[in-house]
Amino acid sequence: GAGVSQSPRYKVTKRGQDVTLRCDPISSHATLYWYQQALGQGPEFLTYFNYEAQPDKSGLPSDRFSAERPEGSISTLTIQRTEQRDSAMYRCASSQLVVSEQYFGPGTRLTVT
Amino acid sequence: QQQVKQSPQSLIVQKGGISIINCAYENTAFDYFPWYQQFPGKGPALLIAIRPDVSEKKEGRFTISFNKSAKQFSLHIMDSQPGDSATYFCAASFSGSARQLTFGSGTQLTVLP
Repeated sequence: GAGVSQSPRYKVTKRGQDVTLRCDPISSHATLYWYQQALGQGPEFLTYFNYEAQPDKSGLPSDRFSAERPEGSISTLTIQRTEQRDSAMYRCASSQLVVSEQYFGPGTRLTVT
Repeated sequence: QQQVKQSPQSLIVQKGGISIINCAYENTAFDYFPWYQQFPGKGPALLIAIRPDVSEKKEGRFTISFNKSAKQFSLHIMDSQPGDSATYFCAASFSGSARQLTFGSGTQLTVLP
């Protein structure tokens, strides 16, 4: 595609519900990153994929967070049993290679009520 | 632990003036220092980046100055224009299996016409 796309753009959910966020990277980009961005802060690394492999999950805040990229293209980030502290902008980025420039998507604004 | 500290939080500059944003880092293993520009509703976009083997890099009106001994780097925007009004993030990463960016907290720049 022309750029990184994310859906939904906005998500409001009640505490305790599960949510799944989707990222569609630039086609042919091997590497895909997930970041969490709190209001007034810079993005914080969550996890990344190199094709379908997920070498680093160190940034995931808890085991309620998980991500998949089963076919090496589209990725999903799932948050189980959401809590109010999970409210944030979730950004996806992709790059052609692991050491290449990262292109960010517009983000999904998650609000947990 | 905030590994990249950014200042100021906000900056107002007259058209034609020089905008200066500063960042300091802690991890001496960092070897890649990009600056990102973010407009409302959009994801961060790479503006300019530098490696620690050079002290300065210039691209058009944008210049990065790098001081390895002080562990500081800064973005200078010459002849600032209203269209430069955006949020700017500094970031850092180190060579490894992936370029996991550590971001500063951002600077909201407003250039007055």
